[in-house]
Amino acid sequence: EPEVTQTPSHQVTQMGQEVILRCVPISNHLYFYWYRQILGQKVEFLVSFYNNEISEKSEIFDDQFSVERPDGSNFTLKIRSTKLEDSAMYFCASSLTEGSGNTIYFGEGSWLTVV
Amino acid sequence: GQQVMQIPQYQHVQEGEDFTTYCNSSTTLSNIQWYKQRPGGHPVFLIQLVKSGEVKKQKRLTFQFGEAKKNSSLHITATQTTDVGTYFCAGRGNTPLVFGKGTRLSVIA
Repeated sequence: EPEVTQTPSHQVTQMGQEVILRCVPISNHLYFYWYRQILGQKVEFLVSFYNNEISEKSEIFDDQFSVERPDGSNFTLKIRSTKLEDSAMYFCASSLTEGSGNTIYFGEGSWLTVV
Repeated sequence: GQQVMQIPQYQHVQEGEDFTTYCNSSTTLSNIQWYKQRPGGHPVFLIQLVKSGEVKKQKRLTFQFGEAKKNSSLHITATQTTDVGTYFCAGRGNTPLVFGKGTRLSVIA
């Protein structure tokens, strides 16, 4: 089965540093997403991306965050000036379409620890 | 803002018993999604419901979207140990997708 791959699987960073989380969505998918899950809590939507631009973002996705599709395969989440509360599992996901019957595929996640 | 509430928070069942988790939104939803997450794993998309009153089945799982499009349920018939995990609903209204806190299902063999 096709899969979304994420790197790194785990990253430890110092507070104030910048972090880039990388994702390779499924090759023919058109919609890309980032979510985060703080340990033991619910999943939170961050942003969706389509046609090389952000199509939707949540309140969490403020100026500290940015996304980019630098080439035809990668989809990145950049977190500037990390804070302790940014520690979470970050999931990338992709889908072919957005409508009913659509399946969203999640990656295994990147666990970010800010110290 | 939009809130999505999910109950119960935990459910322990004997293998073979049925299980239901309920999701309620503070606002009318355009669609609702359901996910399963195993301990230590990533969310796995189960289904998306769009139409008022919609009912969809996947083997032992039955998903329902309320007539008013403000609530939804997931029912599992005759649970198996492989059903263990946390089931999340996620609803979209006028705001981006909002997830419920999930129902953690334990199945006792």
